Amino acid sequence: EAQVTQNPRYLITVTGKKLTVTCSQNMNHEYMSWYRQDPGLGLRQIYYSMNVEVTDKGDVPEGYKVSRKEKRNFPLILESPSPNQTSLYFCASSSFQTSGSYEQYFGPGTRLTVT
Amino acid sequence: RKEVEQDPGPFNVPEGATVAFNCTYSNSASQSFFWYRQDCRKEPKLLMSVYSSGNEDGRFTAQLNRASQYISLLIRDSKLSDSATYLCVVTPKPFEYGNKLVFGAGTILRVKS
Repeated sequence: EAQVTQNPRYLITVTGKKLTVTCSQNMNHEYMSWYRQDPGLGLRQIYYSMNVEVTDKGDVPEGYKVSRKEKRNFPLILESPSPNQTSLYFCASSSFQTSGSYEQYFGPGTRLTVT
Repeated sequence: RKEVEQDPGPFNVPEGATVAFNCTYSNSASQSFFWYRQDCRKEPKLLMSVYSSGNEDGRFTAQLNRASQYISLLIRDSKLSDSATYLCVVTPKPFEYGNKLVFGAGTILRVKS
């Protein structure tokens, strides 16, 4: 089954304790992204990757790191989490289609609470 | 001004009603347009792409007006299962320059029996 998986699904942590949220896709997609979703603000892109070892900042990259060592994995790292990073996080992957359009497939989401 | 703006709703409609959502975008160079659907606390899923000529998929019709920079979604014969948040999505630049989608905050639809 084609899918994007994220772990953990739920996480409660304390300020300053480093954490990693994993993301993996089995569709051989070149492109992967991380978003956060907050009430009234919609989804905002944190980082994206166009291929292995190619990453770039999205709209809200502060406080986050990513890496793309393998095509299927795109972990999100919070080196020193703060309460303002409490949010719902989604990983997504996509592949450009010849029609010029593309669909992003989203993981199930990770609900992070930083106290 | 937000890049993509939507009326948050909620739109409360009876089953069988026709309902329309609009969305405006600020970047006139935007490339591609989509409607995504998000059920409560779940991941967004692509509902349909939006083409300049307009397109239809069953009970759903999407329209794009580049001159006025707005996108619309029309749902006919609403079903209870249509209850969800509808996200207007825009890509501000060609896909090969960055895999970026800009999301509106969403419009909540509640269909009642």
